[in-house]
Amino acid sequence: GAVVSQHPSWVICKSGTSVKIECRSLDFQATTMFWYRQFPKQSLMLMATSNEGSKATYEQGVEKDKFLINHASLTLSTLTVTSAHPEDSSFYICSARVIREGSYGYTFGSGTRLTVV
Amino acid sequence: SQQGEEDPQALSIQEGENATMNCSYKTSINNLQWYRQNSGRGLVHLILIRSNEREKHSGRLRVTLDTSKKSSSLLITASRAADTASYFCATVNNQAGTALIFGKGTTLSVSS
Repeated sequence: GAVVSQHPSWVICKSGTSVKIECRSLDFQATTMFWYRQFPKQSLMLMATSNEGSKATYEQGVEKDKFLINHASLTLSTLTVTSAHPEDSSFYICSARVIREGSYGYTFGSGTRLTVV
Repeated sequence: SQQGEEDPQALSIQEGENATMNCSYKTSINNLQWYRQNSGRGLVHLILIRSNEREKHSGRLRVTLDTSKKSSSLLITASRAADTASYFCATVNNQAGTALIFGKGTTLSVSS
């Protein structure tokens, strides 16, 4: 259980265009989702926390107008990379918090490889 | 932001050998988790250790936690080529929200 489905798994887009990445919780309700970015051979960096029905909380240095996050329902959060540039090319992963072993655990989407050309 | 450091950054061993990875963190925690990531894929949860636990086992995995030193270690025994992956520790910063914050990770390569 506690599966997060992330789509697309990879996308190539032209500079200046926008790309939307979706994350759906399939068998649970996710009031909070998290978005991470991972550059090659590096760790996951938290970009923002998305809360259902309210504005996302962005980490320092992440442009909220460039990375639009929408969490309109308990099962869907989206990240839109607007006016994409080659430096936005990265691996984007979403995550949701779930109860695990009597404590909070986290489940992850399979990631989206974005290449901006 | 990142919670801390992991060492080594890269580790290469032969099948059958044990692999030990260390992780340090900076803030107070309720628990610490270890994750595995195959190249270009999502993360898989391996094991969670609570702040009041010192050691935990799961199959070939052994995790220790030293809250006085703010450090943890992950031991994989009798490694297999399929264990080749990146391993990350992660914690939740009690003072800053509920998101997992990841260490820099250790890339493990197991050759047969």
